[in-house]
Amino acid sequence: AQKITQTQPGMFVQEKEAVTLDCTYDTSDPSYGLFWYKQPSSGEMIFLIYQGSYDQQNATEGRYSLNFQKARKSANLVISASQLGDSAMYFCAMREGVRDYKLSFGAGTTVTVRA
Amino acid sequence: GAGVSQTPSNKVTEKGKYVELRCDPISGHTALYWYRQSLGQGPEFLIYFQGTGAADDSGLPNDRFFAVRPEGSVSTLKIQRTERGDSAVYLCASSLGGGQGAIDTQYFGPGTRLTVL
Repeated sequence: AQKITQTQPGMFVQEKEAVTLDCTYDTSDPSYGLFWYKQPSSGEMIFLIYQGSYDQQNATEGRYSLNFQKARKSANLVISASQLGDSAMYFCAMREGVRDYKLSFGAGTTVTVRA
Repeated sequence: GAGVSQTPSNKVTEKGKYVELRCDPISGHTALYWYRQSLGQGPEFLIYFQGTGAADDSGLPNDRFFAVRPEGSVSTLKIQRTERGDSAVYLCASSLGGGQGAIDTQYFGPGTRLTVL
């Protein structure tokens, strides 16, 4: 079974508008962490934001915020005030448990920002 | 400071040949990871080192794949008898190697694009 599901293969957003990228996850472990990474065309994975399963508040990092709905097992990324440089592939990833350090990634969502 | 570096950036080889891919982690990071990313997909875990030892190699697809980290810093991913299906981008990441429950964010290198002809 897929641990991370990203159902939007591609999205277009107008510059300066907000965009929401969907991510649902599947785990039976009560302790887990959710990560979002950005991968521009250059190929490097860039860490954006983290949400722990026990965190009470939604994570925010600058223009990035994470809409964490634990009961629905979703961790959507919101990018506010989109910029042309935000055009990239975005991956949701999960780390399960406190001893298992490997990340399980979704298939990614391509975001294209239009001027 | 310097990020994770990987060499070579591109490697083209012929089916059946042996290849080595190198990863130099961020200084001070004790944990190192290898992932493989096929075209249009998310990265898939291969192996994780804590220090010099492989703590989890459950993602290695078969015994043609092997990785080492002899001094707890630089790591080499070795692929024997390469096959066309091994063509992918091989990503390396490192993290501080935090304790239980730590965020321990993984920072990725630029990857090595391997093409097996």
